[in-house]
Formats: sequence, structure tokens, C-alpha cells
Amino acid sequence: GAVVSQHPSWVICKSGTSVKIECRSLDFQATTMFWYRQFPKQSLMLMATSNEGSKATYEQGVEKDKFLINHASLTLSTLTVTSAHPEDSSFYICSARGRDRAYEQYFGPGTRLTVT
Amino acid sequence: AQKVTQAQTEISVVEKEDVTLDCVYETRDTTYYLFWYKQPPSGELVFLIRRNSFDEQNEISGRYSWNFQKSTSSFNFTITASQVVDSAVYFCALTGWDDYKLSFGAGTTVTVRA
Repeated sequence: GAVVSQHPSWVICKSGTSVKIECRSLDFQATTMFWYRQFPKQSLMLMATSNEGSKATYEQGVEKDKFLINHASLTLSTLTVTSAHPEDSSFYICSARGRDRAYEQYFGPGTRLTVT
Repeated sequence: AQKVTQAQTEISVVEKEDVTLDCVYETRDTTYYLFWYKQPPSGELVFLIRRNSFDEQNEISGRYSWNFQKSTSSFNFTITASQVVDSAVYFCALTGWDDYKLSFGAGTTVTVRA
């Protein structure tokens, strides 16, 4: 099956710094990538949708200047949390879909961000 | 707007018991997809099943079975003869036919005790 990787799997950063999370589709071309956020014991909430080569579309309530998303190629999307604060600590999950079987989303293993 | 409701927050069973997870959805779309995912403690989502709105046939896969009732907008999931390894959070999700944005339910935490 299709494989999506995320890097890093966990990261600890200090308040006020920025951190970048990478999402890669390893064996298919991802026309669309999605970024989700999951707080402890809660569900996944869609943050944004990114299509290769175009600007990301953010869900209501998500600060686009704080969560910068870049989908520069068909296999890579990045999420940068700028000026991170403790309330940004969360589990971030990406997913990707290709041109074929477009209804299938393949999920990455997630990145646990802790801001101290 | 799409909405998925999983009324059961937590379910605890003893090994070998059957457990049914309820999922009720709302959508204005006439065509849509429904999903179930498993999230073990490691956090990685595991895909279990996809069902499109045209196909109301129930499905069985090993100890897992799904009951799709379009008339009641429900897509329930049963684990038969549960095992400790089934302990996880289970999410029901819904997407429209052409926007592919997944709406997740709140999740049901299943604990299977030995």
C-alpha cells in the first residue's frame, strides 16, 4: 500500500522558536496533502488542505501566519509552526492522496510536538 | 456541513466478548464515503474499512464486521471475540464524493481486559 512518512516523529522546542514538520509520500505522487491536529484524548481536526504548487486552504479558526504550509513538490509538504507556544503542543498528522483512487487518504505516523 | 457522532466515549470489555461501536452521520451529499480507523497507543492511524454510499452491503473481515444502514444514517462496527490487541481508539469518519475532506467522530476508546 501507499506509504506516507513524517519527520520528525517527535520534537521538543522552546517557546518562541519555530519548528518544521515534513510529510512525504514515499511511493506515489500526492496531489493533495492534509494536515490534522489532535489534542490528547480528542479527535483529529483538519487544519488545512494543500495542493501541489498552490497555496494551502486553511480551515476556519486556523491561523495561516502561524501554521505555514508549503507543498512544493508532489511528494513533500511541510508544516512550520512559527513562534511556537505551549498551547501549540499537540500531535500533528498528515495525510496524502494521489490522482488514482482519489478518495483514499494515506496517513503518516504523526509528529508529537512539545513546546516548553 | 458534515457531522459524525460516536456516542460511546469509552467501552471496556473482557477478552472474548463482542463489542459494537456506534456511528451516526449527517451529510447533505447524496454520495459520500464512510470510514473506520483504529488508533493504537502508538498514535498511527490504521485504516480498517471504506464504504461508499451506494453500497449498503454489510461486510465482514475476520473478527470485524460493519453494518451500514443508510435509512438511519448509521455505520456501526462490531468486533467479535475481542482480544487485548484490539484495545485502541476507534474513529468513524465521513467524506464527500469530491472534496475528500475527512470529518472525524470524537472516537471511542475500547479497552479489552484479559
